[in-house]
Amino acid sequence: GAVVSQHPSWVICKSGTSVKIECRSLDFQATTMFWYRQFPKQSLMLMATSNEGSKATYEQGVEKDKFLINHASLTLSTLTVTSAHPEDSSFYICSAKDRLETDTQYFGPGTRLTVL
Amino acid sequence: QKEVEQDPGPLSVPEGAIVSLNCTYSNSAFQYFMWYRQYSRKGPELLMYTYSSGNKEDGRFTAQVDKSSKYISLFIRDSQPSDSATYLCAMRKADSWGKLQFGAGTQVVVTP
Repeated sequence: GAVVSQHPSWVICKSGTSVKIECRSLDFQATTMFWYRQFPKQSLMLMATSNEGSKATYEQGVEKDKFLINHASLTLSTLTVTSAHPEDSSFYICSAKDRLETDTQYFGPGTRLTVL
Repeated sequence: QKEVEQDPGPLSVPEGAIVSLNCTYSNSAFQYFMWYRQYSRKGPELLMYTYSSGNKEDGRFTAQVDKSSKYISLFIRDSQPSDSATYLCAMRKADSWGKLQFGAGTQVVVTP
């Protein structure tokens, strides 16, 4: 089956620093990737949709200057949390759509971010 | 009011029992329905995908959709301790590919 990886799996950083999270589709090409965040015991909330070679589309209420998304290739998207603060601590999950399949998202294992 | 309501549980069942999960939704524009399983600290894994009202079966899993009542269900037969996880329902509108609306997830514990 299709595999999506994320790196790092967890990260702890100081307030004010920036953190980059990578999302890779390992055995398929992903024209579209999605970034979600999930708070403990809460649902996944879509943050943005990332299309290869174009600017990401952000959901209402998500600061695009705070959460920088780059989708430079068909197998890699990155999310950079800039000037992170404790309230940004969360579980960030990406998903990817195989360009050959119509309606299936494959999720990565997630990245747990803790901002001190 | 949330667009998708799902009881967070936990739901505890003995091994071998049937697990019954459900979600209700308020927006009739939702046309595609999914169930995901999520183990702790892992990403969601797609279990079932349905479009029309009715039943869909895959192994021990049965998904039901009742669009008239805006109600979807997932049944797990012969439950195993390895089925212990959080189960998330998700749905999307016909013209919003990829924009999934998730339920809060129900934590299921299958006891040996």
